[in-house]
Amino acid sequence: GEQVEQRPPHLSVPEGDSAVIICTYTDSATAYFYWYKQEPGAGLQLLMSVFSNVDRKEEQGLTVLLNKKDKQLSLNLTAAHPGDSAVYFCAVTASSGSWQLIFGSGTQLTVMP
Amino acid sequence: ETAVFQTPNYHVTQVGNEVSFNCKQTLGHDTMYWYKQDSKKLLKIMFSYNNKQLIVNETVPRRFSPQSSDKAHLNLRIKSVEPEDSAVYLCASSTSGNTEVFFGKGTRLTVV
Repeated sequence: GEQVEQRPPHLSVPEGDSAVIICTYTDSATAYFYWYKQEPGAGLQLLMSVFSNVDRKEEQGLTVLLNKKDKQLSLNLTAAHPGDSAVYFCAVTASSGSWQLIFGSGTQLTVMP
Repeated sequence: ETAVFQTPNYHVTQVGNEVSFNCKQTLGHDTMYWYKQDSKKLLKIMFSYNNKQLIVNETVPRRFSPQSSDKAHLNLRIKSVEPEDSAVYLCASSTSGNTEVFFGKGTRLTVV
């Protein structure tokens, strides 16, 4: 079945720098891609969703790149600030009929003031 | 803004007890889920349920069962909890045909 690897597990950047998180997946039929943010004691906040026909999507300081050839999904936080400190998860699902999200293992991002 | 509500936030109980966690969504979605997040923050699906079908992850022990009164509610019952059940349980919902899934804040279970 589908497997998703996420890296790095921990990432520390100074305020104002960019932070990049990468996920690789195994199933070429994967059609939907997501990034979630989890702050301490909170649930998962959906940041962005991307369908497989999109290579790049930008929203509010976040850029998602999808490289279907290499089966790689990335999240770039430009000009990170301390409020971005959280655990970030990628997630994928094969199709709209699929019943489950497959999550990466998470990246603990710390943005230092 | 949270639209998937879970209670309680925390629960501590002893091995062998029965517990039940509540989840309600106000998004008008027709599908609800339970995910388990372990101490390493790894997330795994447990159940998916809409008014037509319950899908169970085959790795979920039989002491776990979902309970639904209507499409806005999906509770989670654990009969005879065990230490490895200590985790955060996240409820979520979505609409059939739309793959965006929205999560509640979770219930942290500690089994002593």
